[in-house]
Amino acid sequence: SQTIHQWPATLVQPVGSPLSLECTVEGTSNPNLYWYRQAAGRGLQLLFYSVGIGQISSEVPQNLSASRPQDRQFILSSKKLLLSDSGFYLCAWSGQGRVDGGTEAFFGQGTRLTVV
Amino acid sequence: AQSVTQPDIHITVSEGASLELRCNYSYGATPYLFWYVQSPGQGLQLLLKYFSGDTLVQGIKGFEAEFKRSQSSFNLRKPSVHWSDAAEYFCAVRGGSYIPTFGRGTSLIVHP
Repeated sequence: SQTIHQWPATLVQPVGSPLSLECTVEGTSNPNLYWYRQAAGRGLQLLFYSVGIGQISSEVPQNLSASRPQDRQFILSSKKLLLSDSGFYLCAWSGQGRVDGGTEAFFGQGTRLTVV
Repeated sequence: AQSVTQPDIHITVSEGASLELRCNYSYGATPYLFWYVQSPGQGLQLLLKYFSGDTLVQGIKGFEAEFKRSQSSFNLRKPSVHWSDAAEYFCAVRGGSYIPTFGRGTSLIVHP
């Protein structure tokens, strides 16, 4: 079966420090991968998505970047964190869309990032 | 373009009472629809999904949802709420794009 791993679970980082959050998926190949950010009371904001290795699309301009060095690995990074980068970050994957039906997204357990 | 509206930010119910969480979507054709639940500090778990066919879909934990094309709605229901159902609930839509769009969520509070 497919599983998704996201780490770390919590992270406290000073302003100006770098960031690297990692997400890996097991049990599937060529998934679509997503990074979402969740702020309190504001739902899920899509940050990046990827349909394949090295293919990254950004939904909003920001202080963050994403990379997909391997088929099932998705990394969220920042060179210098801002206070406004604090939030709950969620990685998700879905299968490619199929003619016989859409596929749901499966989520990791999230990373609580606090920038101090 | 696709979009989702969850008009209720908070819903408070008593344990044992029935529940309905509202979800309205915008998409030109019949989309794929989902409901997720999120416990505090956790990721999202899929409750149920609608792709086609029977408009009343059953999910996990005793939840169901009904797709109503005429109202562009996909409301989530449960006949009797348990205290453990207290969580954040998200409706999501996926139309022509493979990228799901999520509503802002509804926080469910359950009183004993």
